[in-house]
Amino acid sequence: GIQVEQSPPDLILQEGANSTLRCNFSDSVNNLQWFHQNPWGQLINLFYIPSGTKQNGRLSATTVATERYSLLYISSSQTTDSGVYFCAVDLQGGSEKLVFGKGTKLTVNP
Amino acid sequence: ETGVTQSPTHLIKTRGQQVTLRCSSQSGHNTVSWYQQALGQGPQFIFQYYREEENGRGNFPPRFSGLQFPNYSSELNVNALELDDSALYLCASSPKTEYNSPLHFGNGTRLTVT
Repeated sequence: GIQVEQSPPDLILQEGANSTLRCNFSDSVNNLQWFHQNPWGQLINLFYIPSGTKQNGRLSATTVATERYSLLYISSSQTTDSGVYFCAVDLQGGSEKLVFGKGTKLTVNP
Repeated sequence: ETGVTQSPTHLIKTRGQQVTLRCSSQSGHNTVSWYQQALGQGPQFIFQYYREEENGRGNFPPRFSGLQFPNYSSELNVNALELDDSALYLCASSPKTEYNSPLHFGNGTRLTVT
């Protein structure tokens, strides 16, 4: 099956710093989503981005489908950005049967 | 617009028992997917329901079963619980279309098997 690898596994930042999280996947995908899981376990969809670039406030994401990777950028990080960031992919169009990476645990210190 | 709701939030069961978890999908969503998230891992796809039928299954044994009701709400049943079934169980809903759409997750049910 498809492999999803995320790096780095852990990241510690000071408030205000910028960061880049990476997701590599082993096969062509029709669906790539980024999620944030807060310390209480709530999983929030950040981006649906099978290709191209999207921005939402301080967060942006880029997927280069031909090279099988996606990047999540966090600028001017805040303590509320702490949590685990997951990349998830799906091979089929319209199925939403996602394969998740192991995540990047981000800690933003005040 | 109501989001995805799951119940209960926490549950403690004994090995060998059976458990039922519940999920109400987001308004307008007719597809429900269930995921298992072990501690320190990413969520793993269990199965998906569409129009009350199972529509795809991950690598989980038959003692994991589900139902979807006409109002699109869903149940996950696990029989003969094992210690390794301890995890956060997440339900996600989406509208069934030809194209992919963002998944919306509930807050999960944290199951502990002792």
